[in-house]
Amino acid sequence: NAGVTQTPKFQVLKTGQSMTLQCAQDMNHNSMYWYRQDPGMGLRLIYYSASEGTTDKGEVPNGYNVSRLNKREFSLRLESAAPSQTSVYFCASSESGQSNNEKLFFGSGTQLSVL
Amino acid sequence: DQQVKQNSPSLSVQEGRISILNCDYTNSMFDYFLWYKKYPAEGPTFLISISSIKDKNEDGRFTVFLNKSAKHLSLHIVPSQPGDSAVYFCAASGTGGTSYGKLTFGQGTILTVHP
Repeated sequence: NAGVTQTPKFQVLKTGQSMTLQCAQDMNHNSMYWYRQDPGMGLRLIYYSASEGTTDKGEVPNGYNVSRLNKREFSLRLESAAPSQTSVYFCASSESGQSNNEKLFFGSGTQLSVL
Repeated sequence: DQQVKQNSPSLSVQEGRISILNCDYTNSMFDYFLWYKKYPAEGPTFLISISSIKDKNEDGRFTVFLNKSAKHLSLHIVPSQPGDSAVYFCAASGTGGTSYGKLTFGQGTILTVHP
């Protein structure tokens, strides 16, 4: 039961470098999400994909791009990393995204530091 | 503008006693509320939820209470166990098709249960 798998678990970047965070789920879920967690801020939604082929901005999308590669995979790209993007990033999925009692299933997170 | 607030950053209780975690929200459009639990180096996991048409939902040792007029919810854990030590996030969801699964999280409360 892998659930939601994120890679890498840790990453250190220099300002201006780019990288892609990978996420895959094996639960046949339609919807996928990227959140970031910062101290004192809780989790904030960056981007989400309600279904394969669609993506949309969340609360804090600036500086990020996403790709819903297929039903299983949803990647998050930082084109030019900034120190403000130092955070823990969580990918999540849910069955349909069409029910308000839907549970999110989270990956174990990527700890990113931008120097 | 923090729409979901957990004003207690931490809570310490003795094993066997009750733990009460509180959460306040400001957006009257929220109609579904969830609690997630997070251990270090893991992603959040769903704990319990409540719809706005109810004022109480119980699942084993965990009970969530909702006071809509006060825009306040609380999570009760009875009896508390050392394994309950974790960060607890309150989250809220609004109505509307594509808002399902897009959660607004509180800052989290660190619960420590002492043996």
